[in-house]
Amino acid sequence: SQQGEEDPQALSIQEGENATMNCSYKTSINNLQWYRQNSGRGLVHLILIRSNEREKHSGRLRVTLDTSKKSSSLLITASRAADTASYFCATDGNDYKLSFGAGTTVTVRA
Amino acid sequence: NAGVTQTPKFQVLKTGQSMTLQCAQDMNHEYMSWYRQDPGMGLRLIHYSVGAGITDQGEVPNGYNVSRSTTEDFPLRLLSAAPSQTSVYFCASSYSLTGRAANEKLFFGSGTQLSVL
Repeated sequence: SQQGEEDPQALSIQEGENATMNCSYKTSINNLQWYRQNSGRGLVHLILIRSNEREKHSGRLRVTLDTSKKSSSLLITASRAADTASYFCATDGNDYKLSFGAGTTVTVRA
Repeated sequence: NAGVTQTPKFQVLKTGQSMTLQCAQDMNHEYMSWYRQDPGMGLRLIHYSVGAGITDQGEVPNGYNVSRSTTEDFPLRLLSAAPSQTSVYFCASSYSLTGRAANEKLFFGSGTQLSVL
């Protein structure tokens, strides 16, 4: 069964706007990761946040983690057409089994 | 470096046929894994390996076999294909400085799209 669940399932925004997506999970984790998948391609690692961290930045990406609510959010600022992709959260529960959610599909309109 | 290479990219099988999906990585990663991706369900872990000679089951292992005779290669075998195995298959690898670093950044192949008729 999936550990993480992303919300919303799909998101459409104008170029230059920010995109926010959320991930909720069920059991305790060591870390939470976000991946991007462009259509027809493999997943690409974006950012990792550990269970003792609350916020992390990487370029235009900002990730937060609230372990008390078992949730994370990914913010993409100043979106570009190239950000059009599916975004997945993945949780590591200390058992070598990285568990992925079903993803959020983001469409950035020009 | 080629990264993670999967072959073939596309395959059509008839029910009951067997085949092997190939996966090779040239990054000297200890950890390798196979996922399947179905619409609306994200990625589900089939099998994984933490090093040569060591494999273990993931979330959906039934109908699949793996072996890890070398660090570089991690083939996935479908013994008797079924329509329920129609999916996109991804191989991924990551380094492991200690056992716990294995899942901190996965490198994915480009996938194999499999159809079972």
